[in-house]
Amino acid sequence: GAGVSQSPRYKVAKRGQDVALRCDPISGHVSLFWYQQALGQGPEFLTYFQNEAQLDKSGLPSDRFFAERPEGSVSTLKIQRTQQEDSAVYLCASSLVETNYEQYFGPGTRLTVT
Amino acid sequence: DQQVKQNSPSLSVQEGRISILNCDYTNSMFDYFLWYKKYPAEGPTFLISISSIKDKNEDGRFTVFLNKSAKHLSLHIVPSQPGDSAVYFCAADYGGSQGNLIFGKGTKLSVKP
Repeated sequence: GAGVSQSPRYKVAKRGQDVALRCDPISGHVSLFWYQQALGQGPEFLTYFQNEAQLDKSGLPSDRFFAERPEGSVSTLKIQRTQQEDSAVYLCASSLVETNYEQYFGPGTRLTVT
Repeated sequence: DQQVKQNSPSLSVQEGRISILNCDYTNSMFDYFLWYKKYPAEGPTFLISISSIKDKNEDGRFTVFLNKSAKHLSLHIVPSQPGDSAVYFCAADYGGSQGNLIFGKGTKLSVKP
């Protein structure tokens, strides 16, 4: 079956531009997570949805970052007024139930801010 | 301050031998640990996990050992194969209703034929 998909796979933005990153989780997966992975680092938690409810956004680095999952399936991570420090791979993961630790990751979107 | 530490950025092993990847953690509230494997340009894929109530979990060539008193876990791969060459991430979770994972920085394993 289809795994988690993310688009675009690569995005180059000029500093100050807004970007939107899309995640299509595995069908039927309740939980959806966004992570940010800087070069040479492990993924770092950004935010978490259970269905359409955003239950934790404590990892979002600033109010320029916004995520939504309006119908409990597809999610969008939006970054406003991008800065160079936002350059990273943004990973989306989904899991079947609320407390399932075995998260399935998408391939990520590599964002480069110039 | 990193709560999950993988102190070896890289490891090189001969095909057929054992690979041992190590991970240390600082928070005794973690109750579940996982290993993920990542190939270039792909997302991490789940490999194996262990609950804090156990000290060993085995799945085929992969075994994870947990030493709670030392706050240390390790992943053993026996025998190592060239296809195992990847970056391995150790991750931990507090439990509860959320399940967001805290990752180490990863160890790049190279298995040489």
